[in-house]
Amino acid sequence: AIRMTQSPSSFSASTGDRVTITCRASQGISSYLAWYQQKPGKAPKLLIYAASTLQSGVPSRFSGSGSGTDFTLTISCLQSEDFATYYCQQYYSYPRTFGGGTKVEIK
Amino acid sequence: QVQLVQSGSELKKPGASVKVSCKASGYTFTSYAMNWVRQAPGQGLEWMGWINTNTGNPTYAQGFTGRFVFSLDTSVSTAYLQISSLKAEDTAVYYCARALVVGRHGDYGPVYFDYWGQGTLVTVSS
Repeated sequence: AIRMTQSPSSFSASTGDRVTITCRASQGISSYLAWYQQKPGKAPKLLIYAASTLQSGVPSRFSGSGSGTDFTLTISCLQSEDFATYYCQQYYSYPRTFGGGTKVEIK
Repeated sequence: QVQLVQSGSELKKPGASVKVSCKASGYTFTSYAMNWVRQAPGQGLEWMGWINTNTGNPTYAQGFTGRFVFSLDTSVSTAYLQISSLKAEDTAVYYCARALVVGRHGDYGPVYFDYWGQGTLVTVSS
């Protein structure tokens, strides 16, 4: 199975900050990577697929990049509603696997 | 609009069975695969597998074989997850999530999950 490792596992930031979350795959996955946002008690929400394609309706302050094994999710100007946990997920091969999550907390 | 509506929370005793439903609306049910994802309390997301809504063929991830069964009732656009011989460690929120299915480089299966159900909490306790 492909292991997805996210870093950091959590961090604190302030509204207006630019934040970057990293996801590393244990083997190459081309661009078959998605990012999700999950708020407490809610289902995950798709933000980005194909490593860098923004899902319809997702604010443009979210962006994704990378291919192969190294990927990043960037939030250009953190808003109050962005405090949440973020997960990456590969769909290159079986089994589909998620990263462990990155919790973005208010500083 | 696309909606996946899951059945309500369940409290079960060890050894019992539970069946979670996921009713789809707002799209053609058989055009997307249905996936199941588990989230244990305070933990991350774990993909359990998927069911082909055209053929009814299920695929289970390792660790979800034997006691876990995916099924469909296409007449009511509903997918089901049944778990038998429940254990305390099955306590989790279970999500259904739809995905397109793509075949490429020898892999045929779901891609990313664009719509999710609201989740069903299954609690196993004596």
